[in-house]
Amino acid sequence: QVQLQESGPGLVKPSQTLSLTCTVSGDSISSGIYYWSWIRQPAGKGLEWLGRVYTSGSANYNPSLKSRVTISVDTSKNQFSLNLRSVTAADTAVYYCARDTEIRDPWDLRFDRWGHGTLVTVSS
Amino acid sequence: QSVLTQPPSVSGTPGQTVSISCSGSSSNIASDGDTVNWYQQLPGAAPKLLIFSIDQRPSGVPDRFSGSRSGTSASLAISGLQSEDEADYYCAAWDDSLNVVFGGGTKLTVL
Repeated sequence: QVQLQESGPGLVKPSQTLSLTCTVSGDSISSGIYYWSWIRQPAGKGLEWLGRVYTSGSANYNPSLKSRVTISVDTSKNQFSLNLRSVTAADTAVYYCARDTEIRDPWDLRFDRWGHGTLVTVSS
Repeated sequence: QSVLTQPPSVSGTPGQTVSISCSGSSSNIASDGDTVNWYQQLPGAAPKLLIFSIDQRPSGVPDRFSGSRSGTSASLAISGLQSEDEADYYCAAWDDSLNVVFGGGTKLTVL
């Protein structure tokens, strides 16, 4: 049973960096089969894809956030992480990590396992 | 403003069939690839994959849920509507700008 769990601070000050980690159990990131993504959802609003990372550390990002986002992977801990720089109140949202498509078809789309999500509030 | 357009709400009675539309463009829904997805989000929960590759169901998803595409639009149909189907539904697709785009979501109410 694949499970994902987000962790990190629930409160971040404006202009600082939001940092979250997703711990994967029941699957191995180092197997190199899947991409791993971050997706967020402001309260009462829709979903926004932030980007994805592969085992090698290579990543794809949402073009509108590319200048502020870094997604990295730590295969030794079976974790992948999100850093979002220079945050504002508009970055307040529930942040989800998800298992993405298989690397053998990189332009397929399939978020088939999700974490429960973690609320991050940007406020001074 | 979402790249993919969905109706904010739809409703139906138990046993009915309802359909949710997702309007996009030649850059996403009608692009070369068959990457349209549908997700169900129950209140307070994470989204769950319902449909991938336009009309494919993951293991465990009832065949009451079906997907289709016509031109620049996609649709999710739910037959034999049940009270537990009351949720928010989102469509998603790859865009030619190398971004995953979502619809704004549709709230399904079972009357």
